[in-house]
Amino acid sequence: GDSVTQMEGPVTLSEEAFLTINCTYTATGYPSLFWYVQYPGEGLQLLLKATKADDKGSNKGFEATYRKETTSFHLEKGSVQVSDSAVYFCALSRGPGGSYIPTFGRGTSLIVHP
Amino acid sequence: DSGVTQTPKHLITATGQRVTLRCSPRSGDLSVYWYQQSLDQGLQFLIQYYNGEERAKGNILERFSAQQFPDLHSELNLSSLELGDSALYFCASSNSGRDYNEQFFGPGTRLTVL
Repeated sequence: GDSVTQMEGPVTLSEEAFLTINCTYTATGYPSLFWYVQYPGEGLQLLLKATKADDKGSNKGFEATYRKETTSFHLEKGSVQVSDSAVYFCALSRGPGGSYIPTFGRGTSLIVHP
Repeated sequence: DSGVTQTPKHLITATGQRVTLRCSPRSGDLSVYWYQQSLDQGLQFLIQYYNGEERAKGNILERFSAQQFPDLHSELNLSSLELGDSALYFCASSNSGRDYNEQFFGPGTRLTVL
C-alpha cells in the first residue's frame, strides 16, 4: 500500500539556518504530494503541494520539488525563523484510479532557537 | 482560521462510556474527513464522507462510527471507550470527493479517557 516516510525529529536549528526535512514515498501511479504544518495547539494547514513530477511547490519561503525518479518530496527553506517552529507532515493522495485514502507521514518536529 | 469548526474542544470521560464529536465543514465543502492523532500512532485517517455518503474507510475501529447529515455537518461517535482511545481527533473538509484537493483542518477535539 501507499506509505510516506519522513525523517525523525526533532530537528533543532538556530534562526537563519538552512532547513531540509526529507520525505520519501511509496505509491503506484502518480500521486499528488503535500506538506502540511501544525503549529502548537492547532490543526494542520496546507503549506504547499505538487501534483505532477518535477513540479515545485512553494509558500512562505518553503519549497519542495516532486522527484519521481527518487520518489521524494523534500522540504527546504533557506533561512528559518523562530515562528517556523512547528510539526511538518508530508502526505500523498492519489486521484482517479487511486484509493482516495490520504496517507500522512508521522510528522517532523522543527524547533528554531533565536 | 480554516473555517472548519469542531466541538467540544476538550472532552474527559471514563472507560466504557460513549461520546460524540461534532464537525462543521467550511461553507460549500461537501467532503468531510476524520483523523485520529496520537503520539504513538501519528495521524491516522479514520473515515471520509462525501455529500452524506461514506466514501472511504481507513483505520476505524468497529466501536467507532460516523455520519454526515443533510446540512453537511458530521458526527463521530466513539463507544465502549478504552484508555487507548485518548487522542486528538481532527476533522477536515474539502470541496471535492477527490482527496488530492487541499484539506482544511479544524482545531481538533482532545479526548481523554480515564
